[in-house]
Amino acid sequence: EIVLTQSPGTLSLSPGERATLSCRASESVNSNYLAWYQQKPGQAPRLLIYGASSRATGIPDRFSGSGSGTDFTLTISRLEPEDFAVYFCHQYGSSPLTFGGGTKVEIK
Amino acid sequence: QVQLQESGPGLVKPSGTLSLTCTVSGGSISRDYWIWIRQAPGTGLEWIAYIYNNGRIKWSPSLKSRVTMSADTSKNQFSLNLNSVTAADTAIYYCARALDGGPPDYWGQGTLVTVSS
Repeated sequence: EIVLTQSPGTLSLSPGERATLSCRASESVNSNYLAWYQQKPGQAPRLLIYGASSRATGIPDRFSGSGSGTDFTLTISRLEPEDFAVYFCHQYGSSPLTFGGGTKVEIK
Repeated sequence: QVQLQESGPGLVKPSGTLSLTCTVSGGSISRDYWIWIRQAPGTGLEWIAYIYNNGRIKWSPSLKSRVTMSADTSKNQFSLNLNSVTAADTAIYYCARALDGGPPDYWGQGTLVTVSS
């Protein structure tokens, strides 16, 4: 099973700042099948990034994904008020499918 | 636009069976991958199982012995049964869709299932 470790656990930033979230896999993710999700309280996760770096439909270009193999990054270039949420990474390249523990981006 | 809606009891007794149904609109369950994922309160996400290719199923190894999954193409629904439940199975249960080679992209709103006597 691929274990995904996200860091930091909490990121305290102000609107307009840049957010950099990390996801490290215990082994290489097949075909870079790594996705990022945003989740707000009481809502289902929302797909942001798939294939490590492709934005899902309707996702603003301030969200970008990068990385390969075992190290992946989600960057939010300038935080908007609606971006304060929890972010999960997810590998779908091998079974069992697994998720990271999440990074909470909170308002400083 | 694919839409998914979970339904089922919100309370299940310990040692009983959790049964949920996901109703799909805007897409056909005869194609793509149809998934169950859960999230215990305040924690991360856990994949349970998915069904694809008109009935082929893949399970999480940690839950395989307790999970059954099925699909009813006439109703465009798929279902989850989890038996021998304990308090550790208390969670929000989501159904979702994924394309072949893709991550879950459309999700239901989720349904909270509590295991308690």
